[in-house]
Amino acid sequence: DMKVTQMPRYLIKRMGENVLLECGQDMSHETMYWYRQDPGLGLQLIYISYDVDSNSEGDIPKGYRVSRKKREHFSLILDSAKTNQTSVYFCASSFGIANSDYTFGSGTRLLVI
Amino acid sequence: GDSVTQTEGLVTLTKGLPVMLNCTYQTTYSPFLFWYVQHLNEAPKLLLKSSTDNKRTEHQGFYATLHKSSSSFHLQKSSVQLSDSALYFCALSANNYAQGLTFGLGTRVSVFP
Repeated sequence: DMKVTQMPRYLIKRMGENVLLECGQDMSHETMYWYRQDPGLGLQLIYISYDVDSNSEGDIPKGYRVSRKKREHFSLILDSAKTNQTSVYFCASSFGIANSDYTFGSGTRLLVI
Repeated sequence: GDSVTQTEGLVTLTKGLPVMLNCTYQTTYSPFLFWYVQHLNEAPKLLLKSSTDNKRTEHQGFYATLHKSSSSFHLQKSSVQLSDSALYFCALSANNYAQGLTFGLGTRVSVFP
């Protein structure tokens, strides 16, 4: 079954703590993405990864970093989380970039208190 | 840069009525348009896509036609069901190899009995 898996589904962290969000896909997709979704703001691109160790900033990369050491796995790291990083985070993957539809994970709901 | 505009933030209607969600886009490249649907607490899923001018594409009772002359890709359904209550995103791929899809802000559809 082709899917994108995100862990954890729900997470509560205190301000200043480090946060690791994990994403895996079983489709051998080259390209993976991290988005955050906030009410009224739609889906905002945080980072895009074209392949292993080939990552690029999206529209809102500040406060985030990523790691992709294997094609099937893409991590989002928040160093010293802030309350304004409370959001729903979605990972997605696609076969390519141009004209490729995405497969999304089920999301991680992060609350930073 | 590329952009996608969805004019309605919220659409409420009664079961059995038709619905049309507006989507217009701006790009200087050849467009490929997508509609994604996101049910509550679920991942966005591809609903339909098209890059062919003036050709209707259909899936699960929804349909849309890409009109390059008016830069539009409106989503329609003849008779909505309660299960159609969801958030609908229009997205554009326009040969932007750096950033993948450009998403609209989304339109929430609420269907009442």
